[in-house]
Amino acid sequence: GEDVEQSLFLSVREGDSSVINCTYTDSSSTYLYWYKQEPGAGLQLLTYIFSNMDMKQDQRLTVLLNKKDKHLSLRIADTQTGDSAIYFCAEKSSSNTGKLIFGQGTTLQVKP
Amino acid sequence: DADVTQTPRNRITKTGKRIMLECSQTKGHDRMYWYRQDPGLGLRLIYYSFDVKDINKGEISDGYSVSRQAQAKFSLSLESAIPNQTALYFCATSDSPGHTYEQYFGPGTRLTVT
Repeated sequence: GEDVEQSLFLSVREGDSSVINCTYTDSSSTYLYWYKQEPGAGLQLLTYIFSNMDMKQDQRLTVLLNKKDKHLSLRIADTQTGDSAIYFCAEKSSSNTGKLIFGQGTTLQVKP
Repeated sequence: DADVTQTPRNRITKTGKRIMLECSQTKGHDRMYWYRQDPGLGLRLIYYSFDVKDINKGEISDGYSVSRQAQAKFSLSLESAIPNQTALYFCATSDSPGHTYEQYFGPGTRLTVT
């Protein structure tokens, strides 16, 4: 079956790097995503990575994909208090439906 | 203006009442989705629609129904609300295959069933 797992909570100091981890089960997933949910808001796409890539960098964000271990990570450099949010990992379902399978979400707390 | 809108944003209702949550989008996307979010459980798919005539059940469709009135509108109904349907509900849209399948979310509806 398709499943995505994340740890529920991460706390870091402002200015440190944050690393949020995710594991997934469907080795045939073609796209993997990171979404951010700020308090009282919907989910906003942060970045995505195609399965033939190992890494993608976008300003302070670095996504690493280890297909062998089915492990995805999101690194946020120089974490700011405005980065405090819930971060969801998601994979595109391998079925021909376009569905996304979401993890439980990791709450990132950034302390001043 | 927001591309995906949901109404109402907050709703408190009583057990047994019928309630409808509405979603509209201006993105021109064919695909629309309804999810519910519960703490520690992430987002779970309730129903999805690929076009006006194509409605599909998600993983937790029991107790819910949907209507795709137009390409831009997708509503979710709770025929007889129960307290364990208290949750945050999100509508999302995505473009047809050929793109990156990313989904665009509305701001959510917080539903409380007492």
